[in-house]
This record gives sequence, C-alpha cells and structure tokens, in this order.
Amino acid sequence: AQSVTQLGSHVSVSEGALVLLRCNYSSSVPPYLFWYVQYPNQGLQLLLKYTTGATLVKGINGFEAEFKKSETSFHLTKPSAHMSDAAEYFCAVTLGGQGGKLIFGQGTELSVKP
Amino acid sequence: GAVVSQHPSWVICKSGTSVKIECRSLDFQATTMFWYRQFPKQSLMLMATSNEGSKATYEQGVEKDKFLINHASLTLSTLTVTSAHPEDSSFYICTGLDRVGRGYNEQFFGPGTRLTVL
Repeated sequence: AQSVTQLGSHVSVSEGALVLLRCNYSSSVPPYLFWYVQYPNQGLQLLLKYTTGATLVKGINGFEAEFKKSETSFHLTKPSAHMSDAAEYFCAVTLGGQGGKLIFGQGTELSVKP
Repeated sequence: GAVVSQHPSWVICKSGTSVKIECRSLDFQATTMFWYRQFPKQSLMLMATSNEGSKATYEQGVEKDKFLINHASLTLSTLTVTSAHPEDSSFYICTGLDRVGRGYNEQFFGPGTRLTVL
C-alpha cells in the first residue's frame, strides 16, 4: 500500500536560510508525487508535482523538489526562506499513479523567523 | 489550472441538524470528485470517492448513511452531513479530477468548507 512520511512536524528557519522539508514515500508502482501548501483556514495550493521525466521539479514561489527513486524520497527545498513561506506543507502520493486517491503525509509546519 | 468552488465556505449549525456542502467544477467536467476531511492541526483524510451517475465509494470507517454524497452532474457533487454532532466539526475539502496530460489526471482542490456543530 502507498504511504507518505514527512519527517518533522515542525521546521523553523531564519529568513533567508535554506528551507528543507523531507518526504519519503512507499509505493508498489511508479508514484506521482506532489507538494501542497496550506495557509490558515484555506484550501490547498499545488506547489509542484512529479509525474514522469525530469526528476528535479521546479514549482511556484521558488520551491523545487527532487525525486530520488533509490532513496524513495521527494524532499522540498527553497534556497532562501521568506516570511510569507510560513505555512503548512503536505507531501502526497497518488494511488496507482493515475491521479486517483491522494495519500497525504502528516504535514510539516514551517515557521520563518525574522 | 482548473477551478473548483465550494459552498458555503463556512457554516455553523445546531447538533442534530443536517448540512449540505456543494462542490462545483467551474471550467471543466469532473467525472470523479473526492471528499476529504481535515481536523485541526491534522492532515487530510479521504472520506469518499464520488463518481458521476453512480454511488460513492466510502473509505473504511466513514459512515455512508451519515455522510451522503450525490454526484448528479459532471460539475456538481454534494456532501450532506446528516444529524450532525460536535465531533463532525471539521474542515471539509473537495477535489475534482481533470485530465491534464496523456494518461494523467490531476486533482484540483476546492477552498474548503469549515463546519462547526454546536
């Protein structure tokens, strides 16, 4: 069965520092992987996705993630954190790789200190 | 990207009443819609898969008689929480599935509905 594990329920960085949010997945079939961001009392916004092709995926707001099959990882990074990046981030994997059910990780709350 | 709307964005109701939440795909036809529930400080949990013209498929542990789902058209799915109780208070999010590339469908998220049961 597919599953997603996000290491660290809370990550705190200083403004301008590197952001690294970790995500590991388990899937018996080639996965489609996603990162979403959620601001308080709002829905989810897609940051980026990996389906096929290039393993380094660039998303919105300067975020990127790299799909590493050997490590079953899809970590999210951003070179320089901004105050507006403070939010909840969710990693997700599709069931069967065909845009079906999304399985979400537990979420990581990112805090950005001035 | 495709747009999904939800109505209402928030609702407060008394215990024992029923509440209907609408999910609409505004610029695409969604043969499949998903309903998720999110409790405070928690992740999203899939409740059910809604397919146009057929019965919804519920995840284990979700009461189908309590959470009634109707997907009567290609652009509208509704979730009715029947006899709501305070423990049903949550953030309900729907998604619509749209084909965006060869062999790949993507879920587009609605903005969510905050339900508070007094």
